[in-house]
Amino acid sequence: ILNVEQSPQSLHVQEGDSTNFTCSFPSSNFYALHWYRWETAKSPEALFVMTLNGDEKKKGRISATLNTKEGYSYLYIKGSQPEDSATYLCAFSGPYNTDKLIFGTGTRLQVFP
Amino acid sequence: DADVTQTPRNRITKTGKRIMLECSQTKGHDRMYWYRQDPGLGLRLIYYSFDVKDINKGEISDGYSVSRQAQAKFSLSLESAIPNQTALYFCATSDSGVNYEQYFGPGTRLTVT
Repeated sequence: ILNVEQSPQSLHVQEGDSTNFTCSFPSSNFYALHWYRWETAKSPEALFVMTLNGDEKKKGRISATLNTKEGYSYLYIKGSQPEDSATYLCAFSGPYNTDKLIFGTGTRLQVFP
Repeated sequence: DADVTQTPRNRITKTGKRIMLECSQTKGHDRMYWYRQDPGLGLRLIYYSFDVKDINKGEISDGYSVSRQAQAKFSLSLESAIPNQTALYFCATSDSGVNYEQYFGPGTRLTVT
């Protein structure tokens, strides 16, 4: 059974703090790693899709790295703002069925002003 | 207007009733998906469809059926609802041949009493 784990489960930070969280996934039979941002009462929104070992992606103050050999990805938020408060989901897909995303349970981030 | 819409947004139904959740998209994507989300668990794939004639079971298809009436519409049915099908249901779409980034609808909160 493929398992995707995210840590921590939840995180509370002050506005301006930088933060990061981890997604662990099976290192064998890897195709892609997705990060989504899910605000309460809204749709999950895609942040990044990464496929190559060593990939780094950036969108504004949010960036992500990928290590497929050891099976982890980090998501970083620089200078957190209250509007960054959301649940951050990662999802893994393998090469034999790239449409079947296996999701982690998410890291819930709260940023206090 | 939202690209991926779901109806209804909230529904309360009784055990044994048949219920249909509908999903429509204006993104022109060929791939559509149904997920459920339960507290403490990641999003889990119920069914997915590559096109109108190609429908596939996901991780947890038992108790559910789907219909792809057109490229833009993908419905999920619970033939005889049971309380453990109480969950938040998401529809998503993706564009084959790109990076498999998935675009989610706003979700349907279903309660089975």
